[in-house]
Amino acid sequence: DAKTTQPNSMESNEEEPVHLPCNHSTISGTDYIHWYRQLPSQGPEYVIHGLTSNVNNRMASLAIAEDRKSSTLILHRATLRDAAVYYCILRDERYGGATNKLIFGTGTLLAVQP
Amino acid sequence: NAGVTQTPKFQVLKTGQSMTLQCAQDMNHNSMYWYRQDPGMGLRLIYYSASEGTTDKGEVPNGYNVSRLNKREFSLRLESAAPSQTSVYFCASSEFWTGLGAFFGQGTRLTVV
Repeated sequence: DAKTTQPNSMESNEEEPVHLPCNHSTISGTDYIHWYRQLPSQGPEYVIHGLTSNVNNRMASLAIAEDRKSSTLILHRATLRDAAVYYCILRDERYGGATNKLIFGTGTLLAVQP
Repeated sequence: NAGVTQTPKFQVLKTGQSMTLQCAQDMNHNSMYWYRQDPGMGLRLIYYSASEGTTDKGEVPNGYNVSRLNKREFSLRLESAAPSQTSVYFCASSEFWTGLGAFFGQGTRLTVV
């Protein structure tokens, strides 16, 4: 499985944008980039995913480098409820995703200051 | 919508005892997963089931067995619990073509003494 590298921790101020980086230099052509987050004492929740193009949804935006070796999760206005561990995961979708597993790394602990 | 339901939420076992963690999803997903999370660590995949009738080992399968009982249910069994299996266990399900990612349960906090 291709690996991802994320900073252990980051800090942000409330109401400001947050850019969470992820490096994945060994990404293959069929790997999708997935982001999940885990709030304290909860199970992970899906945030966003993409292949090549930038993606937006109600929670966040995903910016993918042209060579796909890195990506950035963007929270446009951080709130205190966004304090969580954010995981960047690569998932091979060659077989429609049916046989491929989600392998979590250690993620980035985001602290949001009021 | 219940989503992914895990039972029990908390459990204390003595070393050597056995137990089964139950997981059920009501989203008609084909794939289901079991993870463990040790304090301050990320999630590690124990077993997964791509579809009903299939199961495969993940990163840390030793000491565990699984059963995909039907499309809804995926159980995790500890035959002889050890203190090293003290952890929070998460079940998840997914149907990736929906674009919604995987859904996780709230976890089972297991302590083996």
